[in-house]
Amino acid sequence: GAVVSQHPSRVICKSGTSVKIECRSLDFQATTMFWYRQFPKQSLMLMATSNEGSKATYEQGVEKDKFLINHASLTLSTLTVTSAHPEDSSFYICSASGQGNEQFFGPGTRLTVL
Amino acid sequence: GQSLEQPSEVTAVEGAIVQINCTYQTSGFYGLSWYQQHDGGAPTFLSYNALDGLEETGRFSSFLSRSDSYGYLLLQELQMKDSASYFCAVRGDDKIIFGKGTRLHILP
Repeated sequence: GAVVSQHPSRVICKSGTSVKIECRSLDFQATTMFWYRQFPKQSLMLMATSNEGSKATYEQGVEKDKFLINHASLTLSTLTVTSAHPEDSSFYICSASGQGNEQFFGPGTRLTVL
Repeated sequence: GQSLEQPSEVTAVEGAIVQINCTYQTSGFYGLSWYQQHDGGAPTFLSYNALDGLEETGRFSSFLSRSDSYGYLLLQELQMKDSASYFCAVRGDDKIIFGKGTRLHILP
């Protein structure tokens, strides 16, 4: 299957700082990338959908000014958590899809905000 | 509203067969997917059904009945490494929705 990478895999930051997470499709062109958040023992919650070259579509309840998404190329999308607070601590997962219906997930980024 | 229902936990014995059900209610329907997630890891894709019927991939099979808004994941010849959470996901008109996941416990 296709490979999606995420960087960093784990990050710890102080409250009030911003954190950028990168998601890359390594061997295919991702027309659409998705960002999810998953709290312990809960399901994945879709945060936003981004298509290359256009603005991301955010789910209801997700602050677009706090979670900045950039999908500048067919292989790279970034999620920036601005002014992070402890309640933003979570597992952030990206996925990418190309021409088919399958989503390929990145390995996830565990964010801890102190 | 849109929702997916799947059991929160299932327990089975190594070598046995287990079925995880998923019922859905969505605005529009374009397909049902299943994902496996081990503790601490990201989900991995298992199967996708857009049409009614059974799709088989090795020890895993997935079934869909669009008229019943129902699908299931069937795992055969269970192995200890199959202990994980399994999520069904539906692609609707607007977005993809994930179920809350079924935790599969396998006993030796």
